[in-house]
Amino acid sequence: GAGVSQSPSNKVTEKGKDVELRCDPISGHTALYWYRQSLGQGLEFLIYFQGNSAPDKSGLPSDRFSAERTGGSVSTLTIQRTQQEDSAVYLCASSLMPQSSYEQYFGPGTRLTVT
Amino acid sequence: AQTVTQSQPEMSVQEAETVTLSCTYDTSESDYYLFWYKQPPSRQMILVIRQEAYKQQNATENRFSVNFQKAAKSFSLKISDSQLGDAAMYFCAYRSVGGGADGLTFGKGTHLIIQP
Repeated sequence: GAGVSQSPSNKVTEKGKDVELRCDPISGHTALYWYRQSLGQGLEFLIYFQGNSAPDKSGLPSDRFSAERTGGSVSTLTIQRTQQEDSAVYLCASSLMPQSSYEQYFGPGTRLTVT
Repeated sequence: AQTVTQSQPEMSVQEAETVTLSCTYDTSESDYYLFWYKQPPSRQMILVIRQEAYKQQNATENRFSVNFQKAAKSFSLKISDSQLGDAAMYFCAYRSVGGGADGLTFGKGTHLIIQP
C-alpha cells in the first residue's frame, strides 16, 4: 500500500515569505508526527496529532510555526515569515496508534531552503 | 528530558565484514523503547530494529542485532556481513513507553561507509 507522502519535495523561498508543507499519512493511521532535521540541531520532534488534535504544541520552535490536521488525515505545517534558520528537512511520520509499540513510518521529507 | 548520544560521526567497514555502531542514552524512566533507524540519501527514515527496555533478550533482525545494556544505558547496533546497500546514516532513538505526545528523541547519527 501507499506510504507516507510529503509535498513539495523541495521548496526554496525568500526570507519573510510564508510556506506550507503537506503530509499525507498512511490511510487509517491515527497518529501523525512532525520532525525537523537540520545541520545544527539534528533531528527534533516538533508536534504530534492524535486524530485532529495536537495536545502539546510546545515543541514548535517559535510562534511562527503552526500545524493542523483535518479529517484525521492530511496535515499541514505552516511557517510564517520564514527565516534562514528555518532551512531544514521537515519529516512527517504516522503510526496506527500513538503508543510506542506501534512503528512510526516516515515520509521522504520536504527540504526547505530560505534564501 | 532524555538524551541520546552517538559518539561516532562516521564509520567505515569493508564489504562482508562486521561493524558495530555505538549509542548511549540518559533517562530516569525504567521502561522505554530504543530504536535504530537507517536514513539513505533518499531521506526516508527506515526502522532497522527496536528494543523494549523491559525485555532482557537482545533484539535481532536478520543481519542486524543489538547489544542492550540497561544498567550502562548502552544500545549498540551490530551489522554482520555488511553489504553495499547498508551505506547510510544510522540514528539511534529513544521513546517513552507511553508514546503519544512524547516523540522520538534522536542521536546525531553515524554515517556508515561500506568499502567494496
